[in-house]
Amino acid sequence: SQTIHQWPATLVQPVGSPLSLECTVEGTSNPNLYWYRQAAGRGLQLLFYSVGIGQISSEVPQNLSASRPQDRQFILSSKKLLLSDSGFYLCAWSGGGLSYEQFFGPGTRLTVL
Amino acid sequence: AQSVTQLGSHVSVSEGALVLLRCNYSSSVPPYLFWYVQYPNQGLQLLLKYTTGATLVKGINGFEAEFKKSETSFHLTKPSAHMSDAAEYFCAVSQPQGAQKLVFGQGTRLTINP
Repeated sequence: SQTIHQWPATLVQPVGSPLSLECTVEGTSNPNLYWYRQAAGRGLQLLFYSVGIGQISSEVPQNLSASRPQDRQFILSSKKLLLSDSGFYLCAWSGGGLSYEQFFGPGTRLTVL
Repeated sequence: AQSVTQLGSHVSVSEGALVLLRCNYSSSVPPYLFWYVQYPNQGLQLLLKYTTGATLVKGINGFEAEFKKSETSFHLTKPSAHMSDAAEYFCAVSQPQGAQKLVFGQGTRLTINP
């Protein structure tokens, strides 16, 4: 069966510090991968998605970047965090083809102080 | 462009009562529709989905939803609410092509009163 991991689970970082959040998927190959942010009391905003290694599409201009160094690894980064980067970050995967649903990881709670 | 509107950011029902969470969508192509549930500080879990075929779809935990093309709706229902149903519910729409991106509604927080 497929599983998706995210770490860390929680993170508190000062403004201006770098960020690296990691997401890995097990039990599948060549998944589509997605990064979402969920601000307090709001819905999910798609930040980045990837349909293959090294292929990253950005949905909104922002202080963040994403990379996919391996087939089942998706990384969200920032060089300098802003207060507005605080939120709950969710990674998701889909199987492509006729599998349209996305499966979500447990999330990372990021607080920027 | 696709969009999803969930009517009611907060819904409160009594335990044992009918649960009805409303979702309307906008899509220029036949949509694929999803309902997800999120418990506090957790990821999203798929409740059910509509792709093609039968318009009444059944999901986990006793939930079901009906796709009504004429009304552009995909409302979520459960005949009898349980305390464990208290959570945030999200409706989402996807195009059956490309990167299969999901567009989410703003969510509805369901509270169950004892």
